[in-house]
Amino acid sequence: IAGITQAPTSQILAAGRRMTLRCTQDMRHNAMYWYRQDLGLGLRLIHYSNTAGTTGKGEVPDGYSVSRANTDDFPLTLASAVPSQTSVYFCASSKRPGLVGNEQFFGPGTRLTVL
Amino acid sequence: GQNIDQPTEMTATEGAIVQINCTYQTSGFNGLFWYQQHAGEAPTFLSYNVLDGLEEKGRFSSFLSRSKGYSYLLLKELQMKDSASYLCAVMDSNYQLIWGAGTKLIIKP
Repeated sequence: IAGITQAPTSQILAAGRRMTLRCTQDMRHNAMYWYRQDLGLGLRLIHYSNTAGTTGKGEVPDGYSVSRANTDDFPLTLASAVPSQTSVYFCASSKRPGLVGNEQFFGPGTRLTVL
Repeated sequence: GQNIDQPTEMTATEGAIVQINCTYQTSGFNGLFWYQQHAGEAPTFLSYNVLDGLEEKGRFSSFLSRSKGYSYLLLKELQMKDSASYLCAVMDSNYQLIWGAGTKLIIKP
């Protein structure tokens, strides 16, 4: 693995179904993030984790949950998908929160369609 | 509220120079980032400014004026591969990134 990987690449999901998007990084970064990107809007933060064992809510957390059991993995779960969750989801990581110039590195994204 | 503004779309000619502007109003400021995003791909880091002035990195330069809440990304000697969206993001007082909607840059031969 080099950098950040996400799975699946794309998914079509029926409304009401549960779905987990996977994210793994091998850079030993402390902080990880989940964003959604919708046409005409900037990246919006869903949830973040500053270090393993801790998580926090971003700008649009409703309908999503995350866990951070270890440094490398940060899965995002949609408990009961709705069509408004149709989006491209990006996972990102950075060395350490609060570090000035703390560049975020992004995974390739998951394109999710909820019907 | 927090707000990042940048033009939706710009067009430029191969070999020319283009300036993409970004204005911001955020709760706190811990630096401004520019990212490049090709269609269907992930954003990739271009530049970071935390002090006023110009940062140059090859064909790309980024400028910041904190008093004006303003930044620009300058791309010189444009190449067709520079066709992409350019995202402006500000790190707020909680060290989270607030993102603009991005500027789609179209390069014509």
